[in-house]
Amino acid sequence: DARVTQTPRHKVTEMGQEVTMRCQPILGHNTVFWYRQTMMQGLELLAYFRNRAPLDDSGMPKDRFSAEMPDATLATLKIQPSEPRDSAVYFCASGSRTRGGQPQHFGDGTRLSIL
Amino acid sequence: QKEVEQNSGPLSVPEGAIASLNCTYSDRGSQSFFWYRQYSGKSPELIMSIYSNGDKEDGRFTAQLNKASQYVSLLIRDSQPSDSATYLCAVWMDSSYKLIFGSGTRLLVRP
Repeated sequence: DARVTQTPRHKVTEMGQEVTMRCQPILGHNTVFWYRQTMMQGLELLAYFRNRAPLDDSGMPKDRFSAEMPDATLATLKIQPSEPRDSAVYFCASGSRTRGGQPQHFGDGTRLSIL
Repeated sequence: QKEVEQNSGPLSVPEGAIASLNCTYSDRGSQSFFWYRQYSGKSPELIMSIYSNGDKEDGRFTAQLNKASQYVSLLIRDSQPSDSATYLCAVWMDSSYKLIFGSGTRLLVRP
């Protein structure tokens, strides 16, 4: 089965450190999404790309978060500097655009803890 | 008003019963609807997609869509303890070009 691959699966670091999360979308998928999930807020869309171009990053705190897609097989989400309130599970999802709405397939997530 | 609303539950049903999960959405123009299942500590897993009014069946799962009422539901027949999870409704919003998730309904199937 094709899967979205995320690394690392877990990350614990101290406040102020840079955090980089990586995602390999399913081969052939041309849209990539970054979500954050917390108990309080549920699933929040942070940013998404189509054909490697950023289409929306309005859900992302711009001062500390950045998302890029340097090639079709890699998407990154960086937090610098990290803060305790960034502790959450970060999911990457990918899809292939065949119509206006598309099912998205999620990776296993990165569980991030900022101390 | 939230864009996608679900009852948080928990919804508790006995094994073998039908579980009915409901979702309402605000964007009248939405055309694409999805149900995801999320086990505790795991990622959301797509279980159903529905695009047209009416019912769509896949095994023990049936998705129902009523665009006039802006309502989508998921029925799980012959519920099993392994169906215990949080079920997320997701609606593609043409207005914002985003997939918006509800907060999820927690389902507990009692043996």
